[in-house]
Amino acid sequence: AQKITQTQPGMFVQEKEAVTLDCTYDTSDQSYGLFWYKQPSSGEMIFLIYQGSYDEQNATEGRYSLNFQKARKSANLVISASQLGDSAMYFCAMREGRDSNYQLIWGAGTKLIIKP
Amino acid sequence: AAGVIQSPRHLIKEKRETATLKCYPIPRHDTVYWYQQGPGQDPQFLISFYEKMQSDKGSIPDRFSAQQFSDYHSELNMSSLELGDSALYFCASSRGGLGGFAEKLFFGSGTQLSVL
Repeated sequence: AQKITQTQPGMFVQEKEAVTLDCTYDTSDQSYGLFWYKQPSSGEMIFLIYQGSYDEQNATEGRYSLNFQKARKSANLVISASQLGDSAMYFCAMREGRDSNYQLIWGAGTKLIIKP
Repeated sequence: AAGVIQSPRHLIKEKRETATLKCYPIPRHDTVYWYQQGPGQDPQFLISFYEKMQSDKGSIPDRFSAQQFSDYHSELNMSSLELGDSALYFCASSRGGLGGFAEKLFFGSGTQLSVL
């Protein structure tokens, strides 16, 4: 079974609109971390935002926020006021507890294209 | 702020040749991870090092080896290259070793390896 599911292979969004990228996860651990990374066409992998399983508030980093719904096991990334430079591949990833050696488990990614 | 440095940025090799990729982690980061990302794929974990010792092993072929040096930089050595080794190779670093699921991984810009 997929541990990280990103159901949107690709999305087109109009510039300046908000966009939500979906991510659901599957784990039996109580302690885990959820990450979002951005990969532009140039290839680098850029850390965006982190949410810990015990964090009671949704994480925010500038225009990025993470809509964390623990009971539903979802960790959607919200980008407010999208910009052309937001066009990229976005990966959701999870780190579980000690038994998994804290390895990052990746989703398949969502390709976001911002239209002018 | 200093980031993870990888070299070279691009590398072209022939089949059966060898290649060495280098990674310089963020200062005070003691853990290094290597990932391989094929076109349109999510990153696949190869191997990791904590305090100069191998900490975990993923899908790294036997033809590949890696190590972490006393200054914490790491090298991935690839021998008998095959066409299928063509990929983007990422190095990531974090601090605190296996310090828990909350440790963020920061990635370098990657090395694009093309095997002809």
